[in-house]
Amino acid sequence: AQKVTQAQTEISVVEKEDVTLDCVYETRDTTYYLFWYKQPPSGELVFLIRRNSFDEQNEISGRYSWNFQKSTSSFNFTITASQVVDSAVYFCALSGNDYKLSFGAGTTVTVRA
Amino acid sequence: NAGVTQTPKFQVLKTGQSMTLQCAQDMNHEYMSWYRQDPGMGLRLIHYSVGAGITDQGEVPNGYNVSRSTTEDFPLRLLSAAPSQTSVYFCASSYSGQVFSGNTIYFGEGSWLTVV
Repeated sequence: AQKVTQAQTEISVVEKEDVTLDCVYETRDTTYYLFWYKQPPSGELVFLIRRNSFDEQNEISGRYSWNFQKSTSSFNFTITASQVVDSAVYFCALSGNDYKLSFGAGTTVTVRA
Repeated sequence: NAGVTQTPKFQVLKTGQSMTLQCAQDMNHEYMSWYRQDPGMGLRLIHYSVGAGITDQGEVPNGYNVSRSTTEDFPLRLLSAAPSQTSVYFCASSYSGQVFSGNTIYFGEGSWLTVV
């Protein structure tokens, strides 16, 4: 069985602060993929990143960065210099050797102007 | 370029009524799935399909039926709606569900269902 834990339920910051979202996963599979999705207030799911288990390189995309550490089974996500438009629910997810994508419970990020 | 299309977007049902949530994709994807989203629980897999004629249960299949007669369509049926099925439902598809492909998973825009 696989499991994704997002311990932070809600995070509230003032604009321009950095925000780090934690994601810890459990899986017995040696090959797996990790994902982050954003769900803005409008409700749709927006794909942010996919990382496979063999690629532990950190990634930066604009104000977003991801830190993947297999040793601690973590795939954390940082928003640098947050903006009001970053307010959303963020989901971490895991896909292993089956046809199932397992989601964490989500972290609600509120960025105040 | 429609992607994954879900209908209806909003629906109110009375307890005991039946209904079908429609999902269609135009990307010739083999893999399709249905999730439900409830507060504080993320998205949970209801049913999935790896190709026409093949379906299987996910984490929370009770109260739901699916079929996959064509590659394009994957309807979700609620046979006798219950208030516990009040949720937001998402349909998703990808070229292949297997992790080794790492293909992008596309989600529909969601269907908000309320059972009273």
